[in-house]
Amino acid sequence: SQQGEEDPQALSIQEGENATMNCSYKTSINNLQWYRQNSGRGLVHLILIRSNEREKHSGRLRVTLDTSKKSSSLLITASRAADTASYFCATDATGGGNKLTFGTGTQLKVEL
Amino acid sequence: DAEITQSPRHKITETGRQVTLACHQTWNHNNMFWYRQDLGHGLRLIHYSYGVQDTNKGEVSDGYSVSRSNTEDLPLTLESAASSQTSVYFCASSETSANGELFFGEGSRLTVL
Repeated sequence: SQQGEEDPQALSIQEGENATMNCSYKTSINNLQWYRQNSGRGLVHLILIRSNEREKHSGRLRVTLDTSKKSSSLLITASRAADTASYFCATDATGGGNKLTFGTGTQLKVEL
Repeated sequence: DAEITQSPRHKITETGRQVTLACHQTWNHNNMFWYRQDLGHGLRLIHYSYGVQDTNKGEVSDGYSVSRSNTEDLPLTLESAASSQTSVYFCASSETSANGELFFGEGSRLTVL
């Protein structure tokens, strides 16, 4: 079963706009991670947020985590056409031994 | 540079044949994982290993097997391929830690006719 569910499934925005993707999960976690996948390629790690953290930044990325609601959001600011990709959240469940459970992903399209 | 490579990148086979997908990493990571990716399901864990001679079943392990004879390799074998195993397969590795990011290969697209 999927631990993480992303929302929306697809998102289309104009270059320069912000993109927000949400992830919900079901069990307690050690950390939550976001990955990016360009078409036909492998996944690439973007950012990790630990269960005791509420917000984290990396360049144009901002991730929030609300463990009481079992949800996370990924914000990409000032998006570029090169940000077009699928984005996945993944959870490392408590006691899970570093096995990540992935959501179904959000397809982001950034148009010029 | 360290990397993780999968082969073959594309394969077409027939129902009932045995297929092996190779995964080789030069990160010297103890943890290795196999996932399959299908539309509407995201990535699902097939098998994983925490070190040499260690293998474990994941969420969708039926019809698949792995072996870990060294740190670098975790081959995935489909003993008797079925059409339901048509998918894109990803190998990944991580360091031994509670907060490890995964490093992914480029994927192997398998079609079972």
